[in-house]
Amino acid sequence: AQSVTQLGSHVSVSEGALVLLRCNYSSSVPPYLFWYVQYPNQGLQLLLKYTSAATLVKGINGFEAEFKKSETSFHLTKPSAHMSDAAEYFCAVSASGSGGSNYKLTFGKGTLLTVNP
Amino acid sequence: DAGVTQSPTHLIKTRGQHVTLRCSPISGHKSVSWYQQVLGQGPQFIFQYYEKEERGRGNFPDRFSARQFPNYSSELNVNALLLGDSALYLCASSWGQGANTGELFFGEGSRLTVL
Repeated sequence: AQSVTQLGSHVSVSEGALVLLRCNYSSSVPPYLFWYVQYPNQGLQLLLKYTSAATLVKGINGFEAEFKKSETSFHLTKPSAHMSDAAEYFCAVSASGSGGSNYKLTFGKGTLLTVNP
Repeated sequence: DAGVTQSPTHLIKTRGQHVTLRCSPISGHKSVSWYQQVLGQGPQFIFQYYEKEERGRGNFPDRFSARQFPNYSSELNVNALLLGDSALYLCASSWGQGANTGELFFGEGSRLTVL
């Protein structure tokens, strides 16, 4: 079974500041890990995903995340926040390899990012 | 190219009624998944269909059912609606069956309100 825990339901940063959104996972098999973004009244858009290749994953809009097996973490960062980054962010986990018999994603509860001018 | 399209976008039902939600995947995608997103929570997996067969089912009661048609579109049906079924229902499509076969693309959802 897989699960994710997102630390902090709400993160507030100033424009230009570092963005750090935390995600810890639990998985009985090697995981695939994802970050999605959801803007108000919209569906989810994939930011980036880890599928057991490079541990540092670069995504869209300047975001990146690092897979740390020893810490069971997959934190999302962006060096400089922009007003347009304000949205809800979800971390998700899926079974990999032969365990990935379907595309079931298990999501965290989400972190709402606000960016102050 | 069109993304994942869902209909209706909004609907209001009363307790005990039945609802059907529809989803058209991205052209060429053979897998459709359904998720329920209750306000303030992350999406929860309901079903996945691949090549018209059910490939995964989440922890939802039998009141929830789905099917996939030969053109790969899908319907989600919910019977005997409860207040707690009020949520945003998201459909997602992918080319393959698992997370190692490509990106999962989400539609904008159908927002169901049960009164």
